[in-house]
Amino acid sequence: NAGVTQTPKFRVLKTGQSMTLLCAQDMNHEYMYWYRQDPGMGLRLIHYSVGEGTTAKGEVPDGYNVSRLKKQNFLLGLESAAPSQTSVYFCASSFADVYEQYFGPGTRLTVT
Amino acid sequence: KNEVEQSPQNLTAQEGEFITINCSYSVGISALHWLQQHPGGGIVSLFMLSSGKKKHGRLIATINIQEKHSSLHITASHPRDSAVYICAVRNYGGATNKLIFGTGTLLAVQP
Repeated sequence: NAGVTQTPKFRVLKTGQSMTLLCAQDMNHEYMYWYRQDPGMGLRLIHYSVGEGTTAKGEVPDGYNVSRLKKQNFLLGLESAAPSQTSVYFCASSFADVYEQYFGPGTRLTVT
Repeated sequence: KNEVEQSPQNLTAQEGEFITINCSYSVGISALHWLQQHPGGGIVSLFMLSSGKKKHGRLIATINIQEKHSSLHITASHPRDSAVYICAVRNYGGATNKLIFGTGTLLAVQP
């Protein structure tokens, strides 16, 4: 099993550009999450999904959109990137609500 | 004040030392997680606990619900234990396994 994978691993964008981050998991987990990690701050939840076809806002959803068309994939979109979105993005998944979360390797995004 | 506070923020130890990392939280919780993040990014779940104590190899995690405090202990530390250790809590009654994360403790174990 690959676990949780993320693509790409690194990306540099110019302000105003758009991109999509892909998260895939092969553990048949229902729940998937997108976090961002910034220096001096704990991980913060951007959006999450409790199952195929569902999405919900987390703590810091502004400027991001998500989709969960297939159970194994959770996409994070930036429609118009801003320098404030420079961060490391982590995807995670869990079997159900109270189970531990499994994290992907992260995507380092720089917006100039 | 952050809802989850870790101490110390940075810790340097010599190989073989016994290490303790602390986590205090201010909200009611249903579970507490300890995570490990190595340089270069990957995050691994070490423990999830809601009471008492758990042990895995050289790692021990304890929690005191009444005092809203948890500790992560590493016995016979080794340079490969060098990483950021992150405490996270699941807010009691909070929806959908949303975790509140501490800012992490950076541990460096020197040979």
